[in-house]
Amino acid sequence: DVKVTQSSRYLVKRTGEKVFLECVQDMDHENMFWYRQDPGLGLRLIYFSYDVKMKEKGDIPEGYSVSREKKERFSLILESASTNQTSMYLCASSASTGPNEKLFFGSGTQLSVL
Amino acid sequence: SQQGEEDPQALSIQEGENATMNCSYKTSINNLQWYRQNSGRGLVHLILIRSNEREKHSGRLRVTLDTSKKSSSLLITASRAADTASYFCATEGSNYQLIWGAGTKLIIKP
Repeated sequence: DVKVTQSSRYLVKRTGEKVFLECVQDMDHENMFWYRQDPGLGLRLIYFSYDVKMKEKGDIPEGYSVSREKKERFSLILESASTNQTSMYLCASSASTGPNEKLFFGSGTQLSVL
Repeated sequence: SQQGEEDPQALSIQEGENATMNCSYKTSINNLQWYRQNSGRGLVHLILIRSNEREKHSGRLRVTLDTSKKSSSLLITASRAADTASYFCATEGSNYQLIWGAGTKLIIKP
């Protein structure tokens, strides 16, 4: 089975801190995604990547950046954390790009910015 | 942007009963997917139904798709306590990226 591992289940950071969320997948998937999930809003796509060193903005990229130096690892960076970035962050991967690809998710990181 | 909208937002039923959740969407789709999320965890893929399919089964799950009404339903038969979770539908947006609804929270009472 595909395993998508997020480095932290819970994180508490202070406003203005630089925050790194790490995600690793073990199935050689081409695509990786970062979502945030807020109550009543469903999942919103922050960034995604089709290949190493490649990144594309999703629906809400402001305040975030990403890094994909290796195929298996996709990092989400909050350059200067703000309280409105308190959320559940979900990483996902898929084997390839296409209309019938399903996503495999990590367990999520609940980030609180104080 | 949200395309899938689940209905109801919350559903509470007795163990052993059937649970039905609905999803409506706005634009043409290639497929529709359903996912489950246990509290505080990541999402797990349940089933994918293609636009040329009308019904699909997987164990106790039955999914229907009505493209003329732009809607889908997920039926869970003989519910169990372990089915307590949130259920999301997802449809395809641009560049094959999924667009998610806000989910239905299902509670199975013992």
